[in-house]
Amino acid sequence: GAVVSQHPSWVICKSGTSVKIECRSLDFQATTMFWYRQFPKQSLMLMATSNEGSKATYEQGVEKDKFLINHASLTLSTLTVTSAHPEDSSFYICSARAVLRGTDTQYFGPGTRLTVL
Amino acid sequence: SQELEQSPQSLIVQEGKNLTINCTSSKTLYGLYWYKQKYGEGLIFLMMLQKGGEEKSHEKITAKLDEKKQQSSLHITASQPSHAGIYLCGASYGNALNFGKGTSLLVTP
Repeated sequence: GAVVSQHPSWVICKSGTSVKIECRSLDFQATTMFWYRQFPKQSLMLMATSNEGSKATYEQGVEKDKFLINHASLTLSTLTVTSAHPEDSSFYICSARAVLRGTDTQYFGPGTRLTVL
Repeated sequence: SQELEQSPQSLIVQEGKNLTINCTSSKTLYGLYWYKQKYGEGLIFLMMLQKGGEEKSHEKITAKLDEKKQQSSLHITASQPSHAGIYLCGASYGNALNFGKGTSLLVTP
């Protein structure tokens, strides 16, 4: 149990276009999901907290108008990178928070590699 | 500032040798998580520690959380090539997990 999927697993797009990444909790409901970004040889950096039915909370330095987050249901959060530029190329990982078997923890998706040409 | 410091940053060990990775928090931890990651892939959950003094083992990997809940160590016994990867510690301070910079482990024959 506690599987999180991401789609697509990788995407290549042209500069100036928008890209949508989906994060789904497959076998549990998650009121809170998180979006991270990881640049090569660096750690995961939290971008935003996505709460079902409300606006996302963005970390300092993350442009909310550029990285649109929609948490439409208890099993789906989407991250849209608008007007993507080469510097947005990165590995994006989502996680879903759940209390399962009495333990509050985060379950991570497999990540989406975005390359902007 | 980095709330979680990991050391060493990278490690090269000979197959069969033991190794230890450390993770130090600048604040008291509510929970400490260890993950393994292959480059460009998702995170593999290893262990979670919550109680001061707690120790958990899985196969040849043991993780400990000190009594003050501000430092954790990950110990691998008799390392194998399959242990190679990036080891990340993640800390819960109440909401999302924050991660250390990771330790890159290479195991040589």
